[in-house]
Amino acid sequence: DADVTQTPRNRITKTGKRIMLECSQTKGHDRMYWYRQDPGLGLRLIYYSFDVKDINKGEISDGYSVSRQAQAKFSLSLESAIPNQTALYFCATSDLESRAFFGQGTRLTVV
Amino acid sequence: EDQVTQSPEALRLQEGESSSLNCSYTVSGLRGLFWYRQDPGKGPEFLFTLYSAGEEKEKERLKATLTKKESFLHITAPKPEDSATYLCAVQVVGSGYALNFGKGTSLLVTP
Repeated sequence: DADVTQTPRNRITKTGKRIMLECSQTKGHDRMYWYRQDPGLGLRLIYYSFDVKDINKGEISDGYSVSRQAQAKFSLSLESAIPNQTALYFCATSDLESRAFFGQGTRLTVV
Repeated sequence: EDQVTQSPEALRLQEGESSSLNCSYTVSGLRGLFWYRQDPGKGPEFLFTLYSAGEEKEKERLKATLTKKESFLHITAPKPEDSATYLCAVQVVGSGYALNFGKGTSLLVTP
C-alpha cells in the first residue's frame, strides 16, 4: 500500500460544482501539503499544515480551502470549480528533515 | 523574491553519455536544497537533500553538488531507466517547511 494515498485519481467536474480531493498518509508525519502541477509552471503550493490545529495558505490559495481532519488526513476543496483549476494535484507529507513524500496525484478536469 | 531556475528545460542523451542538470537559486536564506525525480503520471520521488555549499551526495549514477548560488545534478553513464523529469526545490529560512520548486528538467536517455 502507498504511504500517501489520494482519492480520486481522476475526476471530471462541471464549472461551479463543489469538489473535494482527499489525502491520507500512513507515515505518521505531522506536516502535510497540497500542491498543483501545471505544464510549464511546475509545482505550486496551495496550502500546508504542520499539525491538526495549524493551517497555512501557500502561494496560490485563492479558490481553495482545506480541512485537516486528523494527523493522517488532509482534504482539499474547490468550493466552486472553474476551468483554470484544471490541473494535476498532489498531496505530500514531510518528515523532520523536510524530505517530502508525494501521493500519486489527482488529475482534475473542470469543464 | 525567492526564485529557483532549472536548466535546460529538456535534455536528450545517448546511453552512457554523462551530463549535468543545473538548478540556480536566489533566496533570502537557504535552509536546504532538494532534488526529486518524477516519472510520468506519478508523484515526485525524493533523491537528495543538500544543506551547505561544498556538500555532495551520491546515489548510483547520480551525484548532487551545491554552491552558494546553484546546484548540479551530475548523471554519469546514464541508462534509459534514468529518463524522467528532475525537480529541484529550496526550503527558505523563515518560510516554514514548505518547498519552493523549479519547473524541472525533462531527461530522455536513448539506447
